[in-house]
Amino acid sequence: EIVLTQSPGTLSLSAGERATLSCRASQSVSSGYVAWYQQKPGQAPRLLIYGASSRATGIPDRFSGSGSGTDFTLTISRLEPEDFAVYYCQQYGTSLPWTFGQGTKVEIK
Amino acid sequence: QVQLQESGPGLVKPSETLSLTCTVSGGSISSYYWSWIRQPPGKGLEWIGYIYYTVSTNYNPSLKSRVSISADTSKNQFSLKLSSVTAADTAVYYCARRIGGVWNWGQGTLVTVSS
Repeated sequence: EIVLTQSPGTLSLSAGERATLSCRASQSVSSGYVAWYQQKPGQAPRLLIYGASSRATGIPDRFSGSGSGTDFTLTISRLEPEDFAVYYCQQYGTSLPWTFGQGTKVEIK
Repeated sequence: QVQLQESGPGLVKPSETLSLTCTVSGGSISSYYWSWIRQPPGKGLEWIGYIYYTVSTNYNPSLKSRVSISADTSKNQFSLKLSSVTAADTAVYYCARRIGGVWNWGQGTLVTVSS
């Protein structure tokens, strides 16, 4: 099983600042099959990034993903008030089971 | 635009079988990956398993002995059965579709295991 470790656990920032979230895999993720989600209380996860770096439909360009192999990053260039939420990474490559990271909470400083 | 909607009992007794259905509109379940994912209250996400092209299944080893996923193409639905449930199975259960890298999720349904 590929274990995904997200860091930091909590990120305290102000609106307008840049957020950098990390997701490290215990082994290489095939074909960069990594997704990033945003989740707000009481809502289903919302797909932001798939294939490590492709933005999902309707996602603002302040969200970007990068990385390959075992290290992946989600960057929010300038935080908007609606971006404060929990973020999860997911791997869905050829190594089963598909797994999620434990989440990073982005909170208002 | 595909839409997924979970349905089923919100309360299940310990040791019984949890049964949920995902009804799909705007896309056929005959193709691609259709998954179940759960999230205990206040915790992270856990992939339960998938059915692929309605015949091939794969389950999380942590649940494999208790889980079954099936599809009904006539109703464009797929279903989850989880047997011998305990309080640890209390969670919001989501169904989801994967096409290539793109994932579409339902809104989720809370299932509580309690007597």
